[in-house]
Amino acid sequence: AQKVTQAQTEISVVEKEDVTLDCVYETRDTTYYLFWYKQPPSGELVFLIRRNSFDEQNEISGRYSWNFQKSTSSFNFTITASQVVDSAVYFCALRNGGSQGNLIFGKGTKLSVKP
Amino acid sequence: DAGVTQSPTHLIKTRGQHVTLRCSPISGHKSVSWYQQVLGQGPQFIFQYYEKEERGRGNFPDRFSARQFPNYSSELNVNALLLGDSALYLCASSLRTSSYDSNQPQHFGDGTRLSIL
Repeated sequence: AQKVTQAQTEISVVEKEDVTLDCVYETRDTTYYLFWYKQPPSGELVFLIRRNSFDEQNEISGRYSWNFQKSTSSFNFTITASQVVDSAVYFCALRNGGSQGNLIFGKGTKLSVKP
Repeated sequence: DAGVTQSPTHLIKTRGQHVTLRCSPISGHKSVSWYQQVLGQGPQFIFQYYEKEERGRGNFPDRFSARQFPNYSSELNVNALLLGDSALYLCASSLRTSSYDSNQPQHFGDGTRLSIL
């Protein structure tokens, strides 16, 4: 079965703190893709990153970084020096290789960054 | 460039009614997917269309149907509405170059918030 677990329901931090959002996935496929999306209060899901199962290289984009570890089936997301504008619900998602296109989402982590 | 556009933004219906939601993909995107997001949950996959054909279907009853038009826009139809159909309905498009090209990110619209009274 395919499944994505985001154990943290809500996280609250003060501006400029670093915060890590956890994501653990389950799949039997050897080829799969992992994604992170941000959902602000407006509702639109904003694509942040895609990672292929055969590429475990970590990635940094400005204040965002992602740590992909196949050994623990985890794809964690870290925001460095958080800002109020980072407040949103963040979703981790899985798509299996060869899948007709459906993303399997976790339940999301609501991040609140206070000034 | 315009992103994925959905209409209407909000909709209020009563039980038993029928609803049609519309989606226009990003220009050049041929694949459209529909998701249902209940409050406090992650989106759940409903349908995917590519080149006007249904390519995938989630675990939703036959009351849910969809289609894709020659211009790649799409409609989601829901018949005999139930209270449990109240949700945010999200449409996503992706730049897909083959039937099994699953690594392209999906880009989402703002959604249609459907309330059933």
